[in-house]
Amino acid sequence: GQSLEQPSEVTAVEGAIVQINCTYQTSGFYGLSWYQQHDGGAPTFLSYNALDGLEETGRFSSFLSRSDSYGYLLLQELQMKDSASYFCAVNPTSGTYKYIFGTGTRLKVLA
Amino acid sequence: KAGVTQTPRYLIKTRGQQVTLSCSPISGHRSVSWYQQTPGQGLQFLFEYFSETQRNKGNFPGRFSGRQFSNSRSEMNVSTLELGDSALYLCASSLEKSSYNEQFFGPGTRLTVL
Repeated sequence: GQSLEQPSEVTAVEGAIVQINCTYQTSGFYGLSWYQQHDGGAPTFLSYNALDGLEETGRFSSFLSRSDSYGYLLLQELQMKDSASYFCAVNPTSGTYKYIFGTGTRLKVLA
Repeated sequence: KAGVTQTPRYLIKTRGQQVTLSCSPISGHRSVSWYQQTPGQGLQFLFEYFSETQRNKGNFPGRFSGRQFSNSRSEMNVSTLELGDSALYLCASSLEKSSYNEQFFGPGTRLTVL
């Protein structure tokens, strides 16, 4: 089967840097995406890695290594508003699934 | 540009009933996907519609079905509701060709089955 594993919860303080990992077992995919979801809200797109390496978007960066079956989301200069759940997701190259989402990581930012 | 809208936002049903949820994608988006979100299972892909055809399908029983209209609006139907169907149902729309592969999610319909 195909699965993406994430830590269930991460806690950090304001201003810090935090890394949320995503390890996967999947036969093949076009790219790795990251989404943010605040409590009671809809998931919103953060980043996409089609190729190995680092993608930077403001305070957020995302990394993919296909050889290591691993990716991560890096959040810098943490703010209270970053407290949310974060999901990685892949769109497989085969099978009938359009997207497979990771288990999700709840990030708590402390003052 | 208006975002993805879903109706109704909240729904309470009893076991055995059926329910229809509606999703209006962002104007110009022809792909609509549906997801079930529960605390235990996370975000699970149900199906995707594109140009009124089901293009992808997740691993859900046949009680879950959907359709898409010519204006790209989509509905999903769940028949013979079970307690385990209680969840947040999200739809997401996307452009067919997007270099960032971005999906835009609606606010969801929270379904409670009693």
